[in-house]
Amino acid sequence: QPVLTQPPSASASLGASVTLTCTLSSGYSNYKVDWYQQRPGKGPRFVMRVGTGGIVGSKGDGIPDRFSVLGSGLNRYLTIKNIQEEDESDYHCGADHGSGSNFVYWVFGGGTKLTVL
Amino acid sequence: EVQLVESGGGLVQPGGSLRLSCAASGFTVSSNYMSWVRQAPGKGLEWVSVIYSGGSTYYADSVKGRFTISRDNSKNTLYLQMNSLRAEDTAVYYCAREAPTEYNWFDPWGQGTLVTVSS
Repeated sequence: QPVLTQPPSASASLGASVTLTCTLSSGYSNYKVDWYQQRPGKGPRFVMRVGTGGIVGSKGDGIPDRFSVLGSGLNRYLTIKNIQEEDESDYHCGADHGSGSNFVYWVFGGGTKLTVL
Repeated sequence: EVQLVESGGGLVQPGGSLRLSCAASGFTVSSNYMSWVRQAPGKGLEWVSVIYSGGSTYYADSVKGRFTISRDNSKNTLYLQMNSLRAEDTAVYYCAREAPTEYNWFDPWGQGTLVTVSS
């Protein structure tokens, strides 16, 4: 099954930009990844899905245009421009995996805590 | 508005049992793929279980044989029966719907309910 790796923390100044990375394990370069935002004390919120061709489908409800994604090789990126205080959150990536059995299960990265300075 | 609200968490001793509930509004639980996902303190998300619209159920290896996912169509509610609980089951438990579109991301999620397994 794929393993998703995320750096545990990132920081950026108010108004600056930051790129968060989710790295798939070797052999899974064709996988798409979902990004979720989790504000303190809240449940996760879908941001958008990304493959090697960029965004897949549409953004989650209320996700501003400042959020964008790119995919390259084993890496899936979430970029936030003009960072605002409300962007301070944990960001999780996840992917579904069907192992040839008759169901799909999900794997997630460890999450990246974004601090707005 | 599409919404999920979990309840039922609490403190339980190792070996004990607990049943979590997830009440849905704005959509029909039985027509969707519904999952439980948990997050241990300071850790990432871990998928736990899914129930498909047809009723098939599947589990992560870490909970197989101890947890049971189910739903009550009349109450539009999802459940997770947790037996033989262990300290490593301590986590916030979220219910989530796989979007009923060609894209199956999780949307929405509930706010979570905390389960603490400790003596």
